Amino acid sequence: GNSVTQMEGPVTLSEEAFLTINCTYTATGYPSLFWYVQYPGEGLQLLLKATKADDKGSNKGFEATYRKETTSFHLEKGSVQVSDSAVYFCALSVFSSASKIIFGSGTRLSIRP
Amino acid sequence: GAGVSQSPRYKVAKRGQDVALRCDPISGHVSLFWYQQALGQGPEFLTYFQNEAQLDKSGLPSDRFFAERPEGSVSTLKIQRTQQEDSAVYLCASQLVGGSTGNTIYFGEGSWLTVV
Repeated sequence: GNSVTQMEGPVTLSEEAFLTINCTYTATGYPSLFWYVQYPGEGLQLLLKATKADDKGSNKGFEATYRKETTSFHLEKGSVQVSDSAVYFCALSVFSSASKIIFGSGTRLSIRP
Repeated sequence: GAGVSQSPRYKVAKRGQDVALRCDPISGHVSLFWYQQALGQGPEFLTYFQNEAQLDKSGLPSDRFFAERPEGSVSTLKIQRTQQEDSAVYLCASQLVGGSTGNTIYFGEGSWLTVV
């Protein structure tokens, strides 16, 4: 079946620290991969995506590279800010008539000033 | 508004009550999804519509859960005889075209259901 496993939180970092949140997946076929972010009191927002192997998704200083050989899509940011505090979800979608998204359990990130 | 709109934002129901949660997708979006997000967990797929057709309801946890989208726009998720384990955030999402992982899926802010 299709599933996503991501790093458990919470993760607490100081401002300007380097961030990595690990994500691995299992999928039948060739999935598209996503990172979604949920800021406090807000809905889920797409942060970045990659639709094929070796693609790099990037947005707001965050990056993730689709690694087929390791079935991974780790999220990185070189210098985090307090405003990055949120819950981050790794997710996948396999092409089908529904293309539903399957989410990981989420990683809560807190950034100290 | 331009986004996915859900109502009510917050609902407290007594155990055994029926509830109805409404979703207004982005205008013109063909695909509509419902997800259930328990506290501290990722969203879990419930059901999917393409226009008015419910193409996948494999995630509905029991026959107490029912969803409809009669005119291919607004959708309602109904939960009958609510139980405490139904307490969760119910997320609606829409997508311009179904069957394409390249199209962005937009989520609403969710309806927070608490069953007491």
